Amino acid sequence: QKEVEQNSGPLSVPEGAIASLNCTYSDRGSQSFFWYRQYSGKSPELIMFIYSNGDKEDGRFTAQLNKASQYVSLLIRDSQPSDSATYLCAVYGGGSYIPTFGRGTSLIVHP
Amino acid sequence: NAGVTQTPKFQVLKTGQSMTLQCAQDMNHNSMYWYRQDPGMGLRLIYYSASEGTTDKGEVPNGYNVSRLNKREFSLRLESAAPSQTSVYFCASRLGNTEAFFGQGTRLTVV
Repeated sequence: QKEVEQNSGPLSVPEGAIASLNCTYSDRGSQSFFWYRQYSGKSPELIMFIYSNGDKEDGRFTAQLNKASQYVSLLIRDSQPSDSATYLCAVYGGGSYIPTFGRGTSLIVHP
Repeated sequence: NAGVTQTPKFQVLKTGQSMTLQCAQDMNHNSMYWYRQDPGMGLRLIYYSASEGTTDKGEVPNGYNVSRLNKREFSLRLESAAPSQTSVYFCASRLGNTEAFFGQGTRLTVV
């Protein structure tokens, strides 16, 4: 059974701070990793993806991948109240059609 | 470009009634998925279709059937609805190793 673990939170950070969201996975054969943001009552939307070890930056968002330790993280710099949402980590194994999702971390950014 | 379109957006059923949730994508994606999302449970895979003409069970298939009508359309049928099937249902599609795109969701209540 492939597992993806996320702390359910809520993670509460002040506006302007860095929010750090973490995800661990069990399948060492996993090859691609995605972060989705889901606002309450809405569908998940892609924030970032990462395939290789190291960091990938896109605006205020940075995804970090460490395959040896089997974790992937998402950093949100200069957090805004509009970043308040649930963040889902999704992991795809090599050649697999089935993504495994974590249960999500709720982020609250307070003014 | 509509992406992934689900119908209906809301539905109330009585126990024992049947219904079909419709999903269509216009992105020429091969893989399509049906998920349910319940509070605290994250996204759970009901059925998926890796390509036109194939369907497979996911994590929670009991009480559901699916049809991959063509490359664009993937429907989910509840033959005899039960209160335990009250949930938010998401359809998603994906091409190769890329991210999944989600429909807007169907909020289903079974009374």
